[in-house]
Amino acid sequence: ERVMTQSPATLSVSPGERATLSCRASQSVSSKLAWYQQKPGQPPRLLIYAASTRATGIPARFSGSGSGTEFSLTISSLQSEDFAIYYCQQYNQGVTFGGGTKVEI
Amino acid sequence: QVQLVESGGGVVQPGRSLRLSCAASGFTFNRYTIHWVRQASGRGLEWVAVVSPDGNHEYYTDSVKGRFTISRDSSKNTLSLQVNDLRAEDTALYYCARQGMSDDWWFDYWGQGTLVTVSS
Repeated sequence: ERVMTQSPATLSVSPGERATLSCRASQSVSSKLAWYQQKPGQPPRLLIYAASTRATGIPARFSGSGSGTEFSLTISSLQSEDFAIYYCQQYNQGVTFGGGTKVEI
Repeated sequence: QVQLVESGGGVVQPGRSLRLSCAASGFTFNRYTIHWVRQASGRGLEWVAVVSPDGNHEYYTDSVKGRFTISRDSSKNTLSLQVNDLRAEDTALYYCARQGMSDDWWFDYWGQGTLVTVSS
């Protein structure tokens, strides 16, 4: 099983700042990686798939990069609505999710 | 618009069964692969099961094999998850999630979830 490890667990940032979230796979997942945003009481929302492709309707301030075992999600200028938990997910072999990064003020 | 609405959750004793349902609308149901993903309270996400668009292929995470059965009814645009021999560790919010229009297992739409609580 491919284990996905996200860091940091919590990221404290201010509105307008840049945030970079990391996701590491225990084995290569090629570019088969997705990112989701989850707010309290809501289901996850797809942000990025194929490591760097933004999903429909996702603002350009969200960008994904990486391949193999190292990936990152960057939010270029945090808006108030971006404070949430972010999960990475590999789908190269089965499906596994990372433990999440909470982005807070 | 795409909608997935789960139902069927509840509080059950260990060893008992439930049948979860996911009603789909706003898209051509029989063209999409649908998954179940669960999330224990305050915890991360765990993939549970998947069924192919034609209903002929099913896959499960190891911890539920032999206890859970996924199925779909294209005449009713409904996905089901029969969950048997429930254990405390099955307690979670169960989401149905639509796979994007590709062979890759990422999920572009999710329902709001149905809560399963296993407790004596």
